[in-house]
Amino acid sequence: AQKVTQAQTEISVVEKEDVTLDCVYETRDTTYYLFWYKQPPSGELVFLIRRNSFDEQNEISGRYSWNFQKSTSSFNFTITASQVVDSAVYFCALSENRDDKIIFGKGTRLHILP
Amino acid sequence: GAGVSQSPRYKVAKRGQDVALRCDPISGHVSLFWYQQALGQGPEFLTYFQNEAQLDKSGLPSDRFFAERPEGSVSTLKIQRTQQEDSAVYLCASSQGQGGTMRISNTGELFFGEGSRLTVL
Repeated sequence: AQKVTQAQTEISVVEKEDVTLDCVYETRDTTYYLFWYKQPPSGELVFLIRRNSFDEQNEISGRYSWNFQKSTSSFNFTITASQVVDSAVYFCALSENRDDKIIFGKGTRLHILP
Repeated sequence: GAGVSQSPRYKVAKRGQDVALRCDPISGHVSLFWYQQALGQGPEFLTYFQNEAQLDKSGLPSDRFFAERPEGSVSTLKIQRTQQEDSAVYLCASSQGQGGTMRISNTGELFFGEGSRLTVL
C-alpha cells in the first residue's frame, strides 16, 4: 500500500534561515510519482513540483530545492533564505503508476518568523 | 472559469441533515477529484471522475457519501444523514489528465478549489 510520512508536524524558523521539510514514502510500485503542494492560509492547495521514480536528479527552482533519494525513500524539500510569505502547510504526496489517485502526507506547518 | 470554484464555502448542518457540496472545475478539465481534509490532517482521497464516469470511489467513507458528475463538468458531493465526524473541509480538484500521457501521474498538476468547510453540530 502507498503511504507518505511527514514526521515534522510543525517547524518555526526565523526569516532568512534555510529550512528542510522531510518526506518519506512507501510504495510497492517501481513506477511512481512524488509531489509537493503548498497550502497557504486561504486553503487552496498549490502545486509545487512533480518527480517520477526514474529521475533522481535534484531540482532547484529559485529558493526551493528538492532532494530525491530512492535508497532511503525520501523526497525532501528545502527552502533557502526563507521569507515570511513561505509560511504555510506543505504536503508531500505520492501517486502510483496504476492510477491517478494522489495520496497526501499529513503535512508540515511552517512558520517563518520576521 | 479561471479556477476551480466550490460552493458553499461554509456549511453548518445539524446532525442527521443531508448536505450537497458543489464543484465547478476548470472548463475543459477531464478529471475531477474530491478530497476530505480534517483539521490538522492531509487531504484524504474520496473519489475520482473522468468526464462523467466515476472511476474510483474507494475513498468514500460510507454509503452516506455519494458523488456525481452527470454531464462531465460540474460535480456534486452529497452526504446523507450527516454525522459529527463528517466535519471537515471538502476539496475539489480538477486536471486536464485524460489518460495516456495526460494522466495526473505525468503532469502532476491538480488544480484545487478553496474547499467547502462543513461543520456538523
